[in-house]
Amino acid sequence: DSGVTQTPKHLITATGQRVTLRCSPRSGDLSVYWYQQSLDQGLQFLIQYYNGEERAKGNILERFSAQQFPDLHSELNLSSLELGDSALYFCASSVAVSPYNEQFFGPGTRLTVL
Amino acid sequence: KNEVEQSPQNLTAQEGEFITINCSYSVGISALHWLQQHPGGGIVSLFMLSSGKKKHGRLIATINIQEKHSSLHITASHPRDSAVYICAVNLNSGAGSYQLTFGKGTKLSVIP
Repeated sequence: DSGVTQTPKHLITATGQRVTLRCSPRSGDLSVYWYQQSLDQGLQFLIQYYNGEERAKGNILERFSAQQFPDLHSELNLSSLELGDSALYFCASSVAVSPYNEQFFGPGTRLTVL
Repeated sequence: KNEVEQSPQNLTAQEGEFITINCSYSVGISALHWLQQHPGGGIVSLFMLSSGKKKHGRLIATINIQEKHSSLHITASHPRDSAVYICAVNLNSGAGSYQLTFGKGTKLSVIP
């Protein structure tokens, strides 16, 4: 158990819908990362927050948004869902913003868009 | 061309064999990470390397910064080592952000 929690574990929804994925980092970790893992693209970095502020953006679509709240939990919002958004979404946390910090991954949310 | 290339893509080994998984990258990096993804999907961080060599139990990771290459070795492999091993790098973006760029992974199956 990494100490990072993600809810829900599974999510099945229809095209055009909007969903929210939630992540709670390890106690004491200030940095949260979101990743998408699809069969054809592999793992891709989406976005990073540190202590409530956005620090880096990767291949995140405009239909997707995220935020980190004062209690440090984070939410990833996916809207106008398409079939291609079906993937595993991972959240990870680390103590700070450094390439030398280990990232601890949550169990992931499996999103299926029908 | 991907910035991070792993080989082999798939690897089948007999229990007890010595295993090597390779990772090459094409850009300057701050650090390299080796991750393990279990069949159930969970991801565990195995190593973070910026130079040299690290060892944890039966796992050894090395990096050669000049050659832009890293290897993950598993000694005395066991069926419980069966997983996907993923190499990821923190690029030298110079912008103070340290996002990971991932290889496609190596699927390891260890047969009893």
